[in-house]
Amino acid sequence: NAGVTQTPKFRVLKTGQSMTLLCAQDMNHEYMYWYRQDPGMGLRLIHYSVGEGTTAKGEVPDGYNVSRLKKQNFLLGLESAAPSQTSVYFCASSPREVGEQFFGPGTRLTVL
Amino acid sequence: DAKTTQPTSMDCAEGRAANLPCNHSTISGNEYVYWYRQIHSQGPQYIIHGLKNNETNEMASLIITEDRKSSTLILPHATLRDTAVYYCIVPGTGTASKLTFGTGTRLQVTL
Repeated sequence: NAGVTQTPKFRVLKTGQSMTLLCAQDMNHEYMYWYRQDPGMGLRLIHYSVGEGTTAKGEVPDGYNVSRLKKQNFLLGLESAAPSQTSVYFCASSPREVGEQFFGPGTRLTVL
Repeated sequence: DAKTTQPTSMDCAEGRAANLPCNHSTISGNEYVYWYRQIHSQGPQYIIHGLKNNETNEMASLIITEDRKSSTLILPHATLRDTAVYYCIVPGTGTASKLTFGTGTRLQVTL
């Protein structure tokens, strides 16, 4: 099993550009999450999904959209990137509400 | 969600037990306590979680006080590879475990 994978690993955008981050898991997990981590800070939840076709807002959802069309994939979109969205983005998945979340390796995004 | 308080940093000699405290005085009766760690810039790694009883797995032990207002994560024989930031999290209840990571405790294991 590859676990949780994230694509791309690194990306540099200009202000106003758009992009989509892909998170994929091969563990048949129901729950998936997107977090961001700013320098020197802990992770903050952006959006999450409790199953295929569902999404919900987390702590810092503004400026992001998500989709969960397939159970194994959770996409995070930035429609118009801003320098404040420069961060490391982590995806996670879990089989149930309570218990371990499995994290991906992260995507380092810089917005100029 | 219950707020957690952790020391900013701690040191531990290799081979000794590392005891990391966490205060969560506003925790409610059905909220779990989770511990994760993050090594360098890697994705967080789950360590352990518990509700009321003490828990142990191959990585660590979690001791929760009887009033559940605080807990301690114990790494029984710390190694250099345990140097990391350790996060104590009480995600609350709901339709998903929405983890809120504070700044955690930076554990430095030394020779």
